[in-house]
Amino acid sequence: DAGITQSPRHKVTETGTPVTLRCHQTENHRYMYWYRQDPGHGLRLIHYSYGVKDTDKGEVSDGYSVSRSKTEDFLLTLESATSSQTSVYFCAIRTSGSLEGEQFFGPGTRLTVL
Amino acid sequence: GNSVTQMEGPVTLSEEAFLTINCTYTATGYPSLFWYVQYPGEGLQLLLKATKADDKGSNKGFEATYRKETTSFHLEKGSVQVSDSAVYFCALSDEGKLIFGQGTELSVKP
Repeated sequence: DAGITQSPRHKVTETGTPVTLRCHQTENHRYMYWYRQDPGHGLRLIHYSYGVKDTDKGEVSDGYSVSRSKTEDFLLTLESATSSQTSVYFCAIRTSGSLEGEQFFGPGTRLTVL
Repeated sequence: GNSVTQMEGPVTLSEEAFLTINCTYTATGYPSLFWYVQYPGEGLQLLLKATKADDKGSNKGFEATYRKETTSFHLEKGSVQVSDSAVYFCALSDEGKLIFGQGTELSVKP
């Protein structure tokens, strides 16, 4: 168990509203990731972090921002939610210092934007 | 850029049948390769991995061999069970970021 929790687990919101998803880890791993899962696309990387206040964009970062003010928390914000952001969002951590190390995933947040 | 392609699903098998899920990749260099499994309503779990050519990853009766010459990492299991019903994802590591295939849904019938 990698000790990853995500909150909320389910959320329904309306177009144009801001939404923040939280990922929390119980260990002090440096690397954290946000992915979205959509049918036919597998998982795609949104943003990732390699330390406190150190973040970078992934493949599908448009419309999303992230923040990491503490090692254990990685927040994903949709500034103005759109229906195309309806998805399941997964947080992951990499426990190894090696770039080739595996990632461990949280339980996911199902977001519906009406 | 790097990419992963999996065979399309859904795949439906009878219990005790042999399973193969094809996965091929495009990459510069020799990335680590992974298979993840997602059971209904859950997150992804690492099933197995291989870090270099000719490595064989194995876990819970599943196996996959890193084939550099065919750029493949096919998942196999000799005898599937109903409890293996899930979605399986092939992935590669690209400088610390995972690139996934689209996933293959497996349904095993009693």
